[in-house]
Amino acid sequence: GQQVMQIPQYQHVQEGEDFTTYCNSSTTLSNIQWYKQRPGGHPVFLIQLVKSGEVKKQKRLTFQFGEAKKNSSLHITATQTTDVGTYFCAGGAGTASKLTFGTGTRLQVTL
Amino acid sequence: GAVVSQHPSRVICKSGTSVKIECRSLDFQATTMFWYRQFPKQSLMLMATSNEGSKATYEQGVEKDKFLINHASLTLSTLTVTSAHPEDSSFYICSAESGLRTFTDTQYFGPGTRLTVL
Repeated sequence: GQQVMQIPQYQHVQEGEDFTTYCNSSTTLSNIQWYKQRPGGHPVFLIQLVKSGEVKKQKRLTFQFGEAKKNSSLHITATQTTDVGTYFCAGGAGTASKLTFGTGTRLQVTL
Repeated sequence: GAVVSQHPSRVICKSGTSVKIECRSLDFQATTMFWYRQFPKQSLMLMATSNEGSKATYEQGVEKDKFLINHASLTLSTLTVTSAHPEDSSFYICSAESGLRTFTDTQYFGPGTRLTVL
């Protein structure tokens, strides 16, 4: 079945440093979505990418969908303590709305 | 924005009992709802897809007789964990989509239900 891996599994940065998490799917995706989950909370939708090579920005966050639609990345510029949490990518295949969640990257930010 | 609620938020039960978890879309109609399970420090694993008025579609390895899903209306889906055992202790999260049923539709997640089986 479809597998979606993320690296790194965990990253600890100092506030102000940049952070990137990478998402790789074993199969071609129709779309990729990114979610953030705070400790003890539930996943919160951040963005969806659909087009090959698509790049979207949300303030300090930059999301990219690979040309082959099998990988994606999330880059945070100048991290803040409010960025703490686990970031999940989730891939969809075909026209179905079912998602396969990635393994997640836990981000810790300290002052 | 779209809001999904879950009830209860936490439940502790004895081994062998059944627990029902409700998932409601509060301000939109959801033809499809999804049920996920998340163990500590792990990712979300899709258990089943629940379609209003029809039988749920279970993922491989998920026992349909143990995890009963009912999607009786466009705003409510329920998950019943039957004869719960300690290994069923987990964070159960539902999500709902607004009904376009295409891959561009966003899933809105509920706050989750933490189940502890003693």
